[in-house]
Amino acid sequence: DAKTTQPTSMDCAEGRAANLPCNHSTISGNEYVYWYRQIHSQGPQYIIHGLKNNETNEMASLIITEDRKSSTLILPHATLRDTAVYYCIVNIQGGSEKLVFGKGTKLTVNP
Amino acid sequence: SAVISQKPSRDICQRGTSLTIQCQVDSQVTMMFWYRQQPGQSLTLIATANQGSEATYESGFVIDKFPISRPNLTFSTLTVSNMSPEDSSIYLCSVVQGPFEKLFFGSGTQLSVL
Repeated sequence: DAKTTQPTSMDCAEGRAANLPCNHSTISGNEYVYWYRQIHSQGPQYIIHGLKNNETNEMASLIITEDRKSSTLILPHATLRDTAVYYCIVNIQGGSEKLVFGKGTKLTVNP
Repeated sequence: SAVISQKPSRDICQRGTSLTIQCQVDSQVTMMFWYRQQPGQSLTLIATANQGSEATYESGFVIDKFPISRPNLTFSTLTVSNMSPEDSSIYLCSVVQGPFEKLFFGSGTQLSVL
């Protein structure tokens, strides 16, 4: 079973920041938080991952709470092309083969 | 990042027949996986394709139904055998690559069984 809980769906206005929450209250000390997204009819795409520090790359920012029991993926300026299902996954590094995908959050970016 | 080519991209098959899906990666990779995504659902890992040995199947998936080949470090096939309408799904090939062991996915095979 997935170790994360995400809202089923969210909406965001184009140009605004999209903040996608994820709860992972049973995360263990050596587990990373990974985010992937799946645009309709495509394979999932890696976005970002982190252990305990906040991370930023060209796609998004990842904010992990100090107790590591939850995190937020931030798309700073959402576009229509960001409409997708976003998956939050926890896993140990080196254990990629056991990635368990939950149901994710369906993000709809509206014009 | 790895470039993964999956063929066919979609197919419509008759009940009782078999379909073989091919996955070609543009570089050598150690870990290669097959996932299934049923309509409206999330991804479920079918098996790990091991080079030079039998695939490792997840609970609920068996070799007779989903035989997998991995002849080298850049290629794998998944066969869906004796298909029924319940096998209608998207089948995805994925590989692990990079220092942080990110997963990269092919574009998937949309299978419809009549």
